[in-house]
Amino acid sequence: QVQLVQSGAEVKKPGASVKVSCKVSGYTLTELSMHWVRQAPGKGLEWMGGFDPEDGETIYAQKFQGRVTMTEDTSTDTAYMELSSLRSEDTAVYYCAIVKGDGWFDPWGQGTLVTVSS
Amino acid sequence: SYELTQPLSVSVALGQTARITCGGNNIGSKNVHWYQQKPGQAPVLVIYRDSNRPSGIPERFSGSNSGNTATLTISRAQAGDEADYYCQVWDSSTAFGGGTKLTVL
Repeated sequence: QVQLVQSGAEVKKPGASVKVSCKVSGYTLTELSMHWVRQAPGKGLEWMGGFDPEDGETIYAQKFQGRVTMTEDTSTDTAYMELSSLRSEDTAVYYCAIVKGDGWFDPWGQGTLVTVSS
Repeated sequence: SYELTQPLSVSVALGQTARITCGGNNIGSKNVHWYQQKPGQAPVLVIYRDSNRPSGIPERFSGSNSGNTATLTISRAQAGDEADYYCQVWDSSTAFGGGTKLTVL
């Protein structure tokens, strides 16, 4: 059974970058399609991007292109999501999640709160 | 991008049946997935591919999808079912509905 454990909460200033990690256990990262979803306080879920196994490439939501980078360290089965040029609107809980079948997310990491404040 | 529309809130009496809808253009031609999210917790998959339950999800949870509306049905609603529920489809990229807050009275 796959389990995902994310890094701890972060506080960043506007303009800075943040890098969130997601450690996989129970499977190797190369067997999985890892994606990232965020949720602003009191708001809904917003997909950011993830690995597309059909193309073998990482795809990003248009909204985040140029500002987000998703990488994987297969030696440690850890995925990373780095978001740059942070602004207050990026304050959110960031989740990693595995995409299965024709596109459902299961399981999810516990979430990482990123607060952007001056 | 594909848009999904959910009611902001749904209320149900304890022990009765709750139905949460998810509207989208010809959504019946797509596979719809549903998530439950309780306060302070990560989302949990409760229905995938319109009507399939992952292991560990009670039979009280069921789903259907036809035409322009997908529906999550929760039978014999319990206090522990109070949560936000999100529908989701994959259509060149992922789309989530805005979420529905279920209140059990």
